[in-house]
Amino acid sequence: AQSVTQLGSHVSVSEGALVLLRCNYSSSVPPYLFWYVQYPNQGLQLLLKYTSAATLVKGINGFEAEFKKSETSFHLTKPSAHMSDAAEYFCAVSDPGANSKLTFGKGITLSVRP
Amino acid sequence: GAGVSQSPSNKVTEKGKDVELRCDPISGHTALYWYRQRLGQGLEFLIYFQGNSAPDKSGLPSDRFSAERTGESVSTLTIQRTQQEDSAVYLCASSLIVRANYGYTFGSGTRLTVV
Repeated sequence: AQSVTQLGSHVSVSEGALVLLRCNYSSSVPPYLFWYVQYPNQGLQLLLKYTSAATLVKGINGFEAEFKKSETSFHLTKPSAHMSDAAEYFCAVSDPGANSKLTFGKGITLSVRP
Repeated sequence: GAGVSQSPSNKVTEKGKDVELRCDPISGHTALYWYRQRLGQGLEFLIYFQGNSAPDKSGLPSDRFSAERTGESVSTLTIQRTQQEDSAVYLCASSLIVRANYGYTFGSGTRLTVV
């Protein structure tokens, strides 16, 4: 069975600071990995995805994530936080050999201080 | 439509009543998914449709929950005899095809409150 671990429930950074949101996964096969963002009162929006091509994936709004098989990680980063990045972020995994069901982590709330 | 549409956006119901939640996927999207998001929790998979059939309904919590899809379009999630633990945001998503690397487009959800 697959699982996703997002340690901590809340991260706070200053505007302009580095954003690092951690995601570790457990999967019996090389997975596909996704980051979604949820702004208040909105649905989830796909930020980026890893589908076994390049291990460094660039997404929207300046975010990127690196797939590290040896560490079973897919951490999300952004060099310089903006106030508009404040939202909840979810990491998700799917099994390439199965249907497209996604297993989500519990999410991390990102706050950005002026 | 341009996006995934869910209705109602908010629903307050009394314990024991039945509710129906509706999802209109993006036109032409074969795959449709239902998830539940309880307060402080991640998303829980409920069921997915490929066309009008549901190959995986393993996430439905009990037999009080059912879902159907007609015309390879609209889907309805029905909760019978609602309980307080059913309070959550119910999210619908669609994808052009059922493929693990596609990712989904989500609707804004229906916030269900059982009182």
